[in-house]
Amino acid sequence: EVHLVESGGGLVPPGGSLRLSCAASGFSFDDYAMHWVRQVPGKGLEWVSGISWNSGSKRFADSAKGRFAVSRDNAEKSLFLQMTGLRPEDTALYYCAKDLGRDVTIVTMDHWGQGTLVIVSS
Amino acid sequence: DIQMTQSPSSLSASVGDRVTITCRASQSISTYLNWYQQKPGKAPTFLIYATSNVQTGVPSRFSGSGSGTDFSLTISSLQPEDFATYYCQQSHSPPWTFGPGTKVDI
Repeated sequence: EVHLVESGGGLVPPGGSLRLSCAASGFSFDDYAMHWVRQVPGKGLEWVSGISWNSGSKRFADSAKGRFAVSRDNAEKSLFLQMTGLRPEDTALYYCAKDLGRDVTIVTMDHWGQGTLVIVSS
Repeated sequence: DIQMTQSPSSLSASVGDRVTITCRASQSISTYLNWYQQKPGKAPTFLIYATSNVQTGVPSRFSGSGSGTDFSLTISSLQPEDFATYYCQQSHSPPWTFGPGTKVDI
């Protein structure tokens, strides 16, 4: 059974940094692209970033470009999102999601974690 | 960016009803359209990919159709566990965008 567990969220002041992690199990992690999707509580879903199976391709939403970095450790079956220059509008629940495929091309997210909450506030 | 819209934003229905939710893309996305279900306090779950392909394990009462810019999700006979918010998502090109959601309640 696919299992994704996010961690690393918390309260951070504007301009601060945070590193989110996602621990994966139950599937061949190194065969699939992975993504971060966020959701402001009570609002809709926003894709944030994706990374291909071998880290060869990384993509970001405009809201994340230049501030967020995505990475993965296939040996440790983990996905990461390094967030810097955080803004109040980055406050959201951040989900880790597995793609159906290996590349960040036709993005289809078939399994999701439960999310980790990031609050950017002074 | 491709903008996704959904209608209605919410609907009230009863168990056994046939429910159809529509999703529209701001430009043609062929059949690169996925559907997700989200229940309150839970993560989204994956229902349908590439417009009409129902994910393994998803009940057969869920179906999808469409192409180009207009798509729909149909629940043939609404069950109590189907009361949730439904999101469409285009998988055609980055950034991969979601619709605003359709809340289905009683």
